[in-house]
Amino acid sequence: DAGITQSPRYKITETGRQVTLMCHQTWSHSYMFWYRQDLGHGLRLIYYSAAADITDKGEVPDGYVVSRSKTENFPLTLESATRSQTSVYFCASSDSPGLGGYTFGSGTRLTVV
Amino acid sequence: AQSVAQPEDQVNVAEGNPLTVKCTYSVSGNPYLFWYVQYPNRGLQFLLKYITGDNLVKGSYGFEAEFNKSQTSFHLKKPSALVSDSALYFCAVREGDNAGNMLTFGGGTRLMVKP
Repeated sequence: DAGITQSPRYKITETGRQVTLMCHQTWSHSYMFWYRQDLGHGLRLIYYSAAADITDKGEVPDGYVVSRSKTENFPLTLESATRSQTSVYFCASSDSPGLGGYTFGSGTRLTVV
Repeated sequence: AQSVAQPEDQVNVAEGNPLTVKCTYSVSGNPYLFWYVQYPNRGLQFLLKYITGDNLVKGSYGFEAEFNKSQTSFHLKKPSALVSDSALYFCAVREGDNAGNMLTFGGGTRLMVKP
């Protein structure tokens, strides 16, 4: 989607490796989110950030690390990838999360082998 | 805690027929309710929302949703389905009284519209 970019679109990595998924938004939205999408589980929130240097855990944060040194970037790092982290990852941003104004990226399909 | 349920994994409908995608919710205060759509290999896109006011909400692409407080439901509807409506649909909720609350998404319902 225009204004929020995720990279890479596809990634294959090996168990135990560190991998970072990138998310960049151009609107200066204060809130950013990371979700994972899995069959049977829908969308689950991993981490979110209300502003630069402010991050908080979501529903499924274990095994993930985030940072937000700049408003526009919100990278997600898998410190030691496991097969259970094979998923599609979506980044989203919002200036008004309570009003449902989320804009989603196109996703990163991660496969851990 | 807030939660949302989409009881059907998949809904099949013939083109031209009306469609309904079901959603029920649970919140302790007033609900803010949303529908999002996801097309293949894309992120979610906002369709419509209910905050307050008229129980029938109209959104993008001819979709509408009806808020029913007594049944705690927010079903998505369209009078005449198109093949291009085939996608994954997500219902979401947040408790309206707390502006800091994030959205909670349902598990999604795949809509298949057949020609």
